[in-house]
Amino acid sequence: NAGVMQNPRHLVRRRGQEARLRCSPMKGHSHVYWYRQLPEEGLKFMVYLQKENIIDESGMPKERFSAEFPKEGPSILRIQQVVRGDSAAYFCASSPGANGGEKLFFGSGTQLSVL
Amino acid sequence: AQSVTQLGSHVSVSEGALVLLRCNYSSSVPPYLFWYVQYPNQGLQLLLKYTSAATLVKGINGFEAEFKKSETSFHLTKPSAHMSDAAEYFCAVSDTGFQKLVFGTGTRLLVSP
Repeated sequence: NAGVMQNPRHLVRRRGQEARLRCSPMKGHSHVYWYRQLPEEGLKFMVYLQKENIIDESGMPKERFSAEFPKEGPSILRIQQVVRGDSAAYFCASSPGANGGEKLFFGSGTQLSVL
Repeated sequence: AQSVTQLGSHVSVSEGALVLLRCNYSSSVPPYLFWYVQYPNQGLQLLLKYTSAATLVKGINGFEAEFKKSETSFHLTKPSAHMSDAAEYFCAVSDTGFQKLVFGTGTRLLVSP
C-alpha cells in the first residue's frame, strides 16, 4: 500500500520559470492538502482540495500560485514565474475524509530551489 | 488566530534518558493538538493527537503527551530515549480537525550513545 507520493523530490528552477509539483494521494483518499515549509519556519497550510474542487485556498499566495486535483491523475501545485522567495519544501498530505480525527498522511515533500 | 510555540530548536539527550519536547499553543476554541515526527528524507508521521477525550494521550513508539489547559501546553515525553528517536518533531494545532493544521517550527531531537 503505497503512501503519498510526491515528485520530483528536488526541483531546481531559474527565476521566471514555472514549477510543477505533483502529489499522488494514498489509494482511496479523495482529500489533498498542500503545505509549504520555508527555511527555519513551520509548515504553513496552503490549500485543501477534493477531487475537482478547491475547498479552502486561504493559505495560497494571491498571485502566481494555483492548485488542482483532477478527476484522474495527481494533484498539481503550479507556481508561475518563480522567485527566490519561493524556495522551500512543499509537502502534500491526503486523507480519506474531512472529519476531525481522520488520519492525515504526508508525502516526503518536494524541495524547490530557485536560482 | 491559532499558533504553536515549540521551545528549543534542538534538544540533546543521551540514550536511555527522558525525552521532553515542549509545545505551547494559542487557540480561541477547544483545540485539536498533534505531534508529528519527520525522519530524514521522509514525510511527517503522526505520533499522537488530542481531540478532547483523555488529557493524557499515548502515541506510537512509546511517546505520550499531556494536554494542560491551564498552561496551554501539550508537551511530548518518552521515558527512555532510543537512538532511533533522533528526528525532527513538530507540534500542530487545529480548530477543525485535520483540515487546516498550524505547525510549530519544529524541534530536532539528537540522541547520543
